[in-house]
Amino acid sequence: AQTVTQSQPEMSVQEAETVTLSCTYDTSESDYYLFWYKQPPSRQMILVIRQEAYKQQNATENRFSVNFQKAAKSFSLKISDSQLGDAAMYFCAYRSGTGNTPLVFGKGTRLSVIA
Amino acid sequence: NAGVTQTPKFQVLKTGQSMTLQCAQDMNHNSMYWYRQDPGMGLRLIYYSASEGTTDKGEVPNGYNVSRLNKREFSLRLESAAPSQTSVYFCASSEAAGFQPQHFGDGTRLSIL
Repeated sequence: AQTVTQSQPEMSVQEAETVTLSCTYDTSESDYYLFWYKQPPSRQMILVIRQEAYKQQNATENRFSVNFQKAAKSFSLKISDSQLGDAAMYFCAYRSGTGNTPLVFGKGTRLSVIA
Repeated sequence: NAGVTQTPKFQVLKTGQSMTLQCAQDMNHNSMYWYRQDPGMGLRLIYYSASEGTTDKGEVPNGYNVSRLNKREFSLRLESAAPSQTSVYFCASSEAAGFQPQHFGDGTRLSIL
């Protein structure tokens, strides 16, 4: 079974600075997808960014980018120019590329942004 | 465009009571999911329905049942609620393809006394 590990329960960053959230995963598959979700205090789960495993190029969405290291099974999220609205729980998730399977989530990292 | 709608948003039950959480999506998605979220545990899959007419157990199915009523609706039932089932419950839906993200409802906070 696939597992997703987020080793940082909590992180903090100064406003306008850059922060990187770590995620590693364990799988024997070669075809899969990786996601980062944000959960603000409102409890909504919001997709931040996603990556296809067969693509070597790292995904980028505005201030959010990933560092995808397939051999190391690492999928970190970098947030640049951090804003107060970035404060939230961040979840890394894995989905198999075979069949129609659910997401497997990490336990999350709580990010605080300091003004 | 409502997306994924969960009802109720909050509920308090007594131990042994039964309860059905409702979920509906208006995006014509094939797959639907129920998760529970507990502090420090992330989201754990209870049950999912890959397509209309099918359901499968997830990581923590004990104490729950589900019904995929039609393509739009996927309900979660607690037959005899226990305090260990106090949690926030999320419903989600997605297209069948793996790259498509899951869309989540706003969650149901369920407390069992």
